[in-house]
Parts: sequence; structure tokens; C-alpha cells
Amino acid sequence: DAGITQSPRHKVTETGTPVTLRCHQTENHRYMYWYRQDPGHGLRLIHYSYGVKDTDKGEVSDGYSVSRSKTEDFLLTLESATSSQTSVYFCAIIPGGSGNTIYFGEGSWLTVV
Amino acid sequence: KNEVEQSPQNLTAQEGEFITINCSYSVGISALHWLQQHPGGGIVSLFMLSSGKKKHGRLIATINIQEKHSSLHITASHPRDSAVYICAVTLGGGNYGGSQGNLIFGKGTKLSVKP
Repeated sequence: DAGITQSPRHKVTETGTPVTLRCHQTENHRYMYWYRQDPGHGLRLIHYSYGVKDTDKGEVSDGYSVSRSKTEDFLLTLESATSSQTSVYFCAIIPGGSGNTIYFGEGSWLTVV
Repeated sequence: KNEVEQSPQNLTAQEGEFITINCSYSVGISALHWLQQHPGGGIVSLFMLSSGKKKHGRLIATINIQEKHSSLHITASHPRDSAVYICAVTLGGGNYGGSQGNLIFGKGTKLSVKP
């Protein structure tokens, strides 16, 4: 399972508050990804990282920022949460980059009220 | 137009039936993935294919690169197979806007197997 854990697993927060989700891995994989999953849209890429301090935007990056100061942790921050960011967030790792098996974290269920 | 299309969107089957889920894509790919997600659960990788066919237990995945089509088959289906099955492709060349690891996901097929 590539040793991926996400935290928190479930969170309810108020509109306008900042929220940080953490993805932690234990196997020093270089590539890490944050996706959101919504009914009717499937999985959509928010941000990804290809190394410490190397990150880039995905297709739905507005309202999100990321940081990767250590290989093992990839943080996703909602700077000012909105109801449209209510979703399930998945962290993923692809050992060795594209073209390899995908491993997902357990998911973080976020509700913005 | 979605670059990865799955059919059907929803599928109900009786226990023991043979099930086929289809995935068509319109882009050049280097690999195709089949994923499984149980209700309220995480996502696990079932197969990664770049050609031919793979089998794991009662699950079989095939891909036809020329036709840009893949199928996931489940033989002797069981209620525990009830889940959403997601097809994803890794774009050919591995780059998208200069990035690595670009994946495009289908919207999933929700399978319900009745006892």
C-alpha cells in the first residue's frame, strides 16, 4: 500500500476558515498527488509534487495551496474554505512516476458548512 | 468530450453472473489502470495494463491499444464485488504541461451484485 496515511480522515469546518490536510508516506517516493472526488466528476487533480519543494498545479487548483518540505509529507491547504470545497480528498503516490501502479491514501472527507 | 469514457455507468447483476465493464479513451496512453472503490472506502489498484491481458483471481482485464479500448471482466460475481470500478489512463510520454504522472480518470461504473 506504499505506506500512505491521510489526516484528518473526517472534518467539518466553517466557511472562511483555513484547513490543512496531510498526506504522509513512509517509503520516500518522489511523486505525490492530491485529488478531489465529487459525484459526476470523478477524480480531479488539485496539485502534485515531484520532489521536496517541487510542486505544480493540477486542473482544479484554485483555492488550494500545497507544501512539501519533507519527502514524506505533502500538505494540502484550503486557504479559506468554501462550500464548493466539500469533497473527498485523496492523496496518491505513483512510485517512479507515471506509468506505474497508483497507490491511494484512505481519503479525507471534508464538509464545509 | 471526456477523454476517458466508461460504460455502463451503473450495473446491477445477480450473484454468479459474468460481468463486463468497458473503458474507451481518445488519447495516446502509456498505461491503463483499473481501480476499485468500495462504498465509503478507499481506492485500490486492480490492474495496470499497457498491452494484452491480465488475470487476478476472478478478475480479468484486457486492452486493445489499436481500438483504444479496455474491458474489465468479473467471473462468478459475488456481492462483495459490489463497488465502483474506475478506469484511468496515463498519458503517453508521461508529460502534460511539463508535468509528470498525468492521469485522466473515467467517472466510474457502479456495480451492485445481488445475492
